[in-house]
Amino acid sequence: EDQVTQSPEALRLQEGESSSLNCSYTVSGLRGLFWYRQDPGKGPEFLFTLYSAGEEKEKERLKATLTKKESFLHITAPKPEDSATYLCAVQAGYSWGKLQFGAGTQVVVTP
Amino acid sequence: DAGVTQSPTHLIKTRGQQVTLRCSPKSGHDTVSWYQQALGQGPQFIFQYYEEEERQRGNFPDRFSGHQFPNYSSELNVNALLLGDSALYLCASRWATSGKNTGELFFGEGSRLTVL
Repeated sequence: EDQVTQSPEALRLQEGESSSLNCSYTVSGLRGLFWYRQDPGKGPEFLFTLYSAGEEKEKERLKATLTKKESFLHITAPKPEDSATYLCAVQAGYSWGKLQFGAGTQVVVTP
Repeated sequence: DAGVTQSPTHLIKTRGQQVTLRCSPKSGHDTVSWYQQALGQGPQFIFQYYEEEERQRGNFPDRFSGHQFPNYSSELNVNALLLGDSALYLCASRWATSGKNTGELFFGEGSRLTVL
C-alpha cells in the first residue's frame, strides 16, 4: 500500500534559522512528488513537483529535492511569513489527480 | 483569472442529514477531484470527475456521491451524516490533457462541515 510519512510533525524556528523537512514515501510507480503549503483554514497552495531522483526545484527561500525514497524541503533563512503547514503528496501510476498526502509538518517561524 | 471556488465556506448539520457542496474549477480546467481533510491530517482523496463521469474513487463509502455538470462544475453529496464526517472538504481541479501533464492540482479554499 502506498504510504507517505512526514517528519517532524511540528517545527519551531527562529527567523533566519535554516532547517529541512522530510517526506519519506513508499509507492509503486512514482509519477510525481508534490509539495504544498497550507495556511490555517485555507486550501493547499502548490509549491513544487519533482519527477525523478536527483531533481531539485527552488522558489525564494524554499528548495525541494528528491531521492528514490524521500524528499526534503529546505527552508533557508526563514521569515515569519513562511509559517504554515507543509504537505507532501505522491502521485502513483497514471492516476493523475489522485494524490496520497502525508499528514504535514507545521512550521512556526518566530521573529 | 478565477481560481477554484467552493461554496458554502462553512456549514453545520446534524447526524443523519444530507449535505451538498459545490465547486467551480479554475478557468480552463476540466477535471475535478474532491478531498476530505480532518483536523491535523493531510487531505484524503474521495473521487475524481472527468467528462461528467466518476473516473477514480478512494476508500469512501457510497454515502459519498458526486456529480459533474457540462460546464465542469461539480457537487459533492454526503448522505446520512456521521459525526466523523466533520472535516474540511477540498475541491481541486486540473487539465485532463495537459501538454506537460504535470499533474499539478489547484485547490479551493474548502468547505468546513461540522456535524453535531
